[in-house]
Amino acid sequence: EAQVTQNPRYLITVTGKKLTVTCSQNMNHEYMSWYRQDPGLGLRQIYYSMNVEVTDKGDVPEGYKVSRKEKRNFPLILESPSPNQTSLYFCASSLVGTGQGGETQYFGPGTRLLVL
Amino acid sequence: DQQVKQNSPSLSVQEGRISILNCDYTNSMFDYFLWYKKYPAEGPTFLISISSIKDKNEDGRFTVFLNKSAKHLSLHIVPSQPGDSAVYFCAAWGRGSTLGRLYFGRGTQLTVWP
Repeated sequence: EAQVTQNPRYLITVTGKKLTVTCSQNMNHEYMSWYRQDPGLGLRQIYYSMNVEVTDKGDVPEGYKVSRKEKRNFPLILESPSPNQTSLYFCASSLVGTGQGGETQYFGPGTRLLVL
Repeated sequence: DQQVKQNSPSLSVQEGRISILNCDYTNSMFDYFLWYKKYPAEGPTFLISISSIKDKNEDGRFTVFLNKSAKHLSLHIVPSQPGDSAVYFCAAWGRGSTLGRLYFGRGTQLTVWP
C-alpha cells in the first residue's frame, strides 16, 4: 500500500530534550516536506526537500532541522524543543514538487507533540 | 504575509444543498491549485485540483472554479452529505524562486447537517 508513515504518533517531552520525528514514504517520491498545523493558522510549511541532500526552508523553519540522506526518509529534528513547538506535525511527499500536471502531496497521519 | 486566504473559518449547510467554499490568493505567479479535505486525527487528503489554464474542473459532486482576474477559487459540493463534514484547505504551488513550496490557507470547517 502506497503511504507516508510517521513515528511516533504522539509524543510528550520537556523543554530542551532533543527529539526526532521520523517520516518514510514508499512511493519513490523525489519530494518530501514537513508541516505544522496550529488552531486558526492552517498548515504551515517547515522544510521541504526536492531531492536527496537538497533541503530548503519553508515558512517556519526556526527551531527545526531536517536531513535527506536517502530518498524514502525525511526526519524532523528538534534540537532543543520549546513549548511554542507544541503542535500537530505532518510529513508529506509528492512526485517531484513542481506542481505540474496537478501534482498532489500525500500526507502522513500526523504526530501530535506536546512540549512541557 | 499569507498568500492563500480562506476568509470563512466555518460554513454550515443542510444535507442535499450546495456547499460553496471560497479561497483567494495574492501571488499572480501561482498556476496550480489544490483542495484538501481533513478529518480529525487524520492527515489531509487530496480532493481536486485545477490548473490556471482552466476555469473549471469537475469530479463527481466536487467542482472547483478559478477566476484568475479576481485571484479567486471556489469549491462547490453538490449535493452536500454529512460525510463531507471536515476542514477544507485550499493550496497553491509556488513558482520561480518559490518552486517546491506549497502554500495553504487557514482552512474552512464545513458542517453538513441532516
